[in-house]
Amino acid sequence: DIQMTQSPSTLSASEGDTVTITCRASQNIRVWLAWYQQRPGKAPKLLIQKASSLEGGVPSRFSGSGSGTEFTLTISSLQPDDVATYYCQHYNHPYTFGPGTKVELK
Amino acid sequence: QVVLVQSGPEVKKPGSSLRVSCKASEYIFTSYYIHWVRQAPGQGLQWMGLINPGDGRATSAQRLQGRVSMTRDTPTTTFYMELSSLTSDDTAVYFCAASFSLYTAFDIWGQGTMLVVSS
Repeated sequence: DIQMTQSPSTLSASEGDTVTITCRASQNIRVWLAWYQQRPGKAPKLLIQKASSLEGGVPSRFSGSGSGTEFTLTISSLQPDDVATYYCQHYNHPYTFGPGTKVELK
Repeated sequence: QVVLVQSGPEVKKPGSSLRVSCKASEYIFTSYYIHWVRQAPGQGLQWMGLINPGDGRATSAQRLQGRVSMTRDTPTTTFYMELSSLTSDDTAVYFCAASFSLYTAFDIWGQGTMLVVSS
């Protein structure tokens, strides 16, 4: 099975900062990668699929890039509302998620 | 409205079984693949399996094969996930989620169902 890794595991940044999360796949997954945001006690929310396609209603400060085995999620101008854990996922069987990156405000 | 509504929290004893329901709008029921995902306390997301909207056929994660069953009830537009032989390792929040195809991400999620397995 394809394994997904993320770095860092935890990230602390100030409001207004640009933050970047990296997701790596153990094999070439082309662009079949999604990013989810999960706030504490809530269900995950889809932000981006096909590596860089932003879902409707998601703020434009979120962006995704990459293909093959390395992907990034960038949040420009971090807001308090962005405090959450972010997961990448290869959405093909067996739909493996990365371990998550917790984003905190300094 | 495009929503998934799950059943309430459960407390189960080791060795027993769990059944979680996920009621879908008619549009989701007929058009979307339904996935089950669980999350142990403080841990990440683990895909458990899916059910095909066309024929109701289910596919489960290899590690859960033999213990998990996913079904649907057409008159009530409800999906069910059953997990047997529960242990404390099954303590988690269980989510149903929907994707429009096998090759799209999970864009609709239920609110989650908490399971505690304890003697």
